[in-house]
Amino acid sequence: QVHLVQSGTEVKKPGASVKISCKASGYIFTNYAIQWVRQAPGQSLEWVGWINPGHIRYSQNFQDRVSITWDTSANVAYMELTSLQAEDTAVYYCARDIIDTGGFDYWGQGTLLIVAS
Amino acid sequence: QPALTQPASVSGSPGQSITISCSGTSSDIGAYNYVSWYQQHPGKAPTLIIYGVTYRPSGVSNRFSGSKSGNTASLTISGLQAEDEADYYCSSFRVGRSYVFGSGTKVTV
Repeated sequence: QVHLVQSGTEVKKPGASVKISCKASGYIFTNYAIQWVRQAPGQSLEWVGWINPGHIRYSQNFQDRVSITWDTSANVAYMELTSLQAEDTAVYYCARDIIDTGGFDYWGQGTLLIVAS
Repeated sequence: QPALTQPASVSGSPGQSITISCSGTSSDIGAYNYVSWYQQHPGKAPTLIIYGVTYRPSGVSNRFSGSKSGNTASLTISGLQAEDEADYYCSSFRVGRSYVFGSGTKVTV
């Protein structure tokens, strides 16, 4: 049974940083990529970036502020976002990528990030 | 990097068929067969219903089908049911090894 379990709600002040985790289980972690997607309140989904063995790619919208890593010994992926602004308030999702299909077949439950002074 | 364009809303009666369009460019939908569709109910994470343009994951109803022509992809829901009322998003791989999502469509039954 594949599961992606994310860390809990975060409340940060403008200018701060946040690091969200995504713990995977039920499959061989390094056989799949991990995608990060966010959704601001009432808005569409927005792609943040992805990581797979030997490759990391970020959306140009976050290029200078985001860092995606993973700990393959613990089956955990991380997304760190710096210089937070109110506009970063959103639910952040991790998802497993079915390589070479473009589909994200399993999603985490989402992590709510609130940025407010 | 604009999102893929979807109609804001589509509605239909139970039993009817509806089609949601997803318009992109020659750098995303037109370039790759890596189009996916997601269903999202309020307060829930998205779920994959179509990948690789036409493929359904195990467990997804065959009432959902996908297609692509040129730079436009489409999702058809046949035999519309009350449980299909949700938001639907398309997604495509894009030149530069990135992804892009659609603007989203609210389906009302």
